[in-house]
Amino acid sequence: EVHLVESGGGLVQPGGSLRLSCAASGFTFSIYNMNWVRQAPGKGLQWVSSISSGGAYMYYADSVKGRFTISRDNAENSLSLQLNSLRADDTAVYYCARAECSSTSCSEVFDVWGQGTLVTVSS
Amino acid sequence: QLVLTQSPSASASLGASVKLTCILSGGHSGNAIAWHQQQPNKGPRFLMKLNSDGSHTKGDGIPDRFSGSSSGPEHYLTISSLQSEDEADYYCQTWGTGIRVFGEGTRVTVL
Repeated sequence: EVHLVESGGGLVQPGGSLRLSCAASGFTFSIYNMNWVRQAPGKGLQWVSSISSGGAYMYYADSVKGRFTISRDNAENSLSLQLNSLRADDTAVYYCARAECSSTSCSEVFDVWGQGTLVTVSS
Repeated sequence: QLVLTQSPSASASLGASVKLTCILSGGHSGNAIAWHQQQPNKGPRFLMKLNSDGSHTKGDGIPDRFSGSSSGPEHYLTISSLQSEDEADYYCQTWGTGIRVFGEGTRVTVL
C-alpha cells in the first residue's frame, strides 16, 4: 500500500529552524516528483515547494523562497524540507504529496497525500 | 498569473446532487486539473484528475457518485446521492511552469 508519513514538526521560536521529513513506502519513490503543501489554521491549502524525481529541479512559492530548502534521498525513499528563518505566518500543518505518473505519462497532479505534521512558530 | 477560482460554499440535501465549479485563468489551459477532498480534521484526499481532452481518472476507492467534467476554462466536480460523509472542503489544483496552484476551496454542507 502506498504511504507517505511526515515527521519533524513542533514548536519553534520566530527566527528558528526545523527540518521536516517524509518517509515514502509502497511505490518506486525515485520516479516521482514530490511536493510540500501547507495549511495554516482555518485556511486553505497552499503549495510550498516541489522537487523533480532525480532531485535536479526545485521550485518554491514566493513566500518561502530563500528560507526553505527541499531535498530528497532516493536511496532512503525520503523527502525533506529545511525550514529556516521561521515566522509566525509559517505556522501550519505541512503535508508531503506525490505528483502522479501513469503508465504513459506524468503530471503535477497530486495523487497521494501524507497525514501532515504541525509546525507552530511562536515565542 | 495562474489562478483557480472556486465558490466558497455550496449546500444540498442528503441524497441530492451538488455541482462544484473551478475556473482556470492565466494560461496553461491544456494542463489537467485535480480535485481533492478534505473532511473535517483530516488530511486531503485525491479524488480525480480531469484531463484537457475531457477524460478523467479517479483515485483508488473513490465512489461512482463522484464525477468530473470540463467546459473550456471551467472544471466541475459533481457529487450525486449526497452522503453525510461528503460534508467537506473540496479543492481544485493544477500547475504551471515552476508553480503549483490550489483553488481557495469550496465548503460543501449536507442539509
